[in-house]
Amino acid sequence: KAGVTQTPRYLIKTRGQQVTLSCSPISGHRSVSWYQQTPGQGLQFLFEYFSETQRNKGNFPGRFSGRQFSNSRSEMNVSTLELGDSALYLCASSYDRQGSSYEQYFGPGTRLTVT
Amino acid sequence: GQQVMQIPQYQHVQEGEDFTTYCNSSTTLSNIQWYKQRPGGHPVFLIQLVKSGEVKKQKRLTFQFGEAKKNSSLHITATQTTDVGTYFCAGGFSGYALNFGKGTSLLVTP
Repeated sequence: KAGVTQTPRYLIKTRGQQVTLSCSPISGHRSVSWYQQTPGQGLQFLFEYFSETQRNKGNFPGRFSGRQFSNSRSEMNVSTLELGDSALYLCASSYDRQGSSYEQYFGPGTRLTVT
Repeated sequence: GQQVMQIPQYQHVQEGEDFTTYCNSSTTLSNIQWYKQRPGGHPVFLIQLVKSGEVKKQKRLTFQFGEAKKNSSLHITATQTTDVGTYFCAGGFSGYALNFGKGTSLLVTP
């Protein structure tokens, strides 16, 4: 099975711009989660989608949004970029069944640098 | 909030020494997962514990889940240079949320 793929792998943007990151989960996985990883804060949960619905949301401002398509692929968008948004953005997919949390398979991440 | 605290933040050991990282939650967890992230890589799933008091072993790695399901530990016996990386615990709460600790970075010196 192919693993989780994320595009692009690297991105440089300017403050005030917006960015869209893409994630393709493992075939058959319907849950997709997004995390922001920075050296000081570790892995911070952004949101999780299951069957095109946002099921959980972390404590991030409204500038961070996401969506999931019918084929389980997911995108996240960050508008009005700030310097502090520079981070590694990780996507993880999970097989998932109702009422339980399953192991997450992480993609390689998108390294976003905001200048 | 439903936070998971992990200590220590860093650990530097000589090859052959043991290593332990601890994870604590103020609320009861439905399960706990452990991940390893090598430098420059992405987190890779190691194991999931679900039952109170559960202990699981993977070669030199021993994972424990506390009786109250509020804490967990990962112990590595006789570390090797291949053990270098950051170890994360992730606590599962009701409603599918999975909260990661900040991780313990392990450095092993030959």
